[in-house]
Amino acid sequence: GQQLNQSPQSMFIQEGEDVSMNCTSSSIFNTWLWYKQDPGEGPVLLIALYKAGELTSNGRLTAQFGITRKDSFLNISASIPSDVGIYFCAGQLGYGNKLVFGAGTILRVKS
Amino acid sequence: NAGVTQTPKFRILKIGQSMTLQCTQDMNHNYMYWYRQDPGMGLKLIYYSVGAGITDKGEVPNGYNVSRSTTEDFPLRLELAAPSQTSVYFCASSFSTRVGFETQYFGPGTRLLVL
Repeated sequence: GQQLNQSPQSMFIQEGEDVSMNCTSSSIFNTWLWYKQDPGEGPVLLIALYKAGELTSNGRLTAQFGITRKDSFLNISASIPSDVGIYFCAGQLGYGNKLVFGAGTILRVKS
Repeated sequence: NAGVTQTPKFRILKIGQSMTLQCTQDMNHNYMYWYRQDPGMGLKLIYYSVGAGITDKGEVPNGYNVSRSTTEDFPLRLELAAPSQTSVYFCASSFSTRVGFETQYFGPGTRLLVL
């Protein structure tokens, strides 16, 4: 089946630092999504991207839909302790279609 | 508004036992999904449903069964539990159409341990 390669696997950063993570695929996706999962809870959608080249922000989070439609990037600026969690990318082939998830990036923030 | 609720939160099963994981949503969503999450592996789709009475296999359906008799409920059945089914199970729902993507809302998960 399709696979998404998400990197890095984990990050341990100092509070206030910026964070970057990315996701690549061997297949083209029409929609890229970024989710965050807090410990003991289900994933929550952070940002959805619908068009190649699109750059979208949600507060301190910025995500981009790669121009080739095979990759996406998530940046978090000025990290804070509540940013701790697992960040997942997900791709969707078409409208109403199923999602394919990356393996996740574990983010730890040192205050 | 409870969103997506799942029961139980945690369960230990012996090999060969059966159980049903319950999922209910109160958002009148037409689509519902079951995922499993293994450590370091992301979420994999087990089964999904596009409406009451309609279900379809996802990426990893073997060993599971589902039914969708109502819009609100989407139970996942394990008939003969195996250690490979030890995982965290998430139910999700969305209001999906043919013309756009709608957010999938996830439940809090059920942690299952098969010994």
